[in-house]
Amino acid sequence: RKEVEQDPGPFNVPEGATVAFNCTYSNSASQSFFWYRQDCRKEPKLLMSVYSSGNEDGRFTAQLNRASQYISLLIRDSKLSDSATYLCVVQGDTGSARQLTFGSGTQLTVLP
Amino acid sequence: DGGITQSPKYLFRKEGQNVTLSCEQNLNHDAMYWYRQDPGQGLRLIYYSQIVNDFQKGDIAEGYSVSREKKESFPLTVTSAQKNPTAFYLCASGDRLYTQYFGPGTRLTVL
Repeated sequence: RKEVEQDPGPFNVPEGATVAFNCTYSNSASQSFFWYRQDCRKEPKLLMSVYSSGNEDGRFTAQLNRASQYISLLIRDSKLSDSATYLCVVQGDTGSARQLTFGSGTQLTVLP
Repeated sequence: DGGITQSPKYLFRKEGQNVTLSCEQNLNHDAMYWYRQDPGQGLRLIYYSQIVNDFQKGDIAEGYSVSREKKESFPLTVTSAQKNPTAFYLCASGDRLYTQYFGPGTRLTVL
């Protein structure tokens, strides 16, 4: 089983749609969680951290379910510019600088 | 501007050559990382460094070497021992909360 699993997609949605991605992780000791966005042939860019209480940033909402070991990203009112690959990232034990594990990404295309 | 720079953007290597990828940051981050990304795959950790003059192997360190002589710089050498080096190489630096920020990457192609 992969440490971090994501549905690779692609998700093709019309502009204005709401779309949700899920990500599961295998290490129950994981401490920190992030969503990164990666455009084609570009570097990943931090979209948002994911907190236990859930957090929202404009049209983006991230949720964490520790009991079921998954995190989610909800995008409301999709824009063409949201088309990208979304990477789920999980950090292991606190105090370690290295233990970030990246999912393979979920590809989103927002259609006009 | 604060950030992470990588050079070159594109690099071509002949069989048997060593090549060095540059990574510089002015974010005053202690931690720096090198990752490799292959098409359709997640990032894989090559090496990381938490402090100057110290670094540790990641998951796929074979065929690579690094140095950390300055806080701002963390160059990666891809040696001839790396049998399949064609990939997208990403350098990152990490803040105290372990959030990582990436440079623009170097695309290495073996001719």
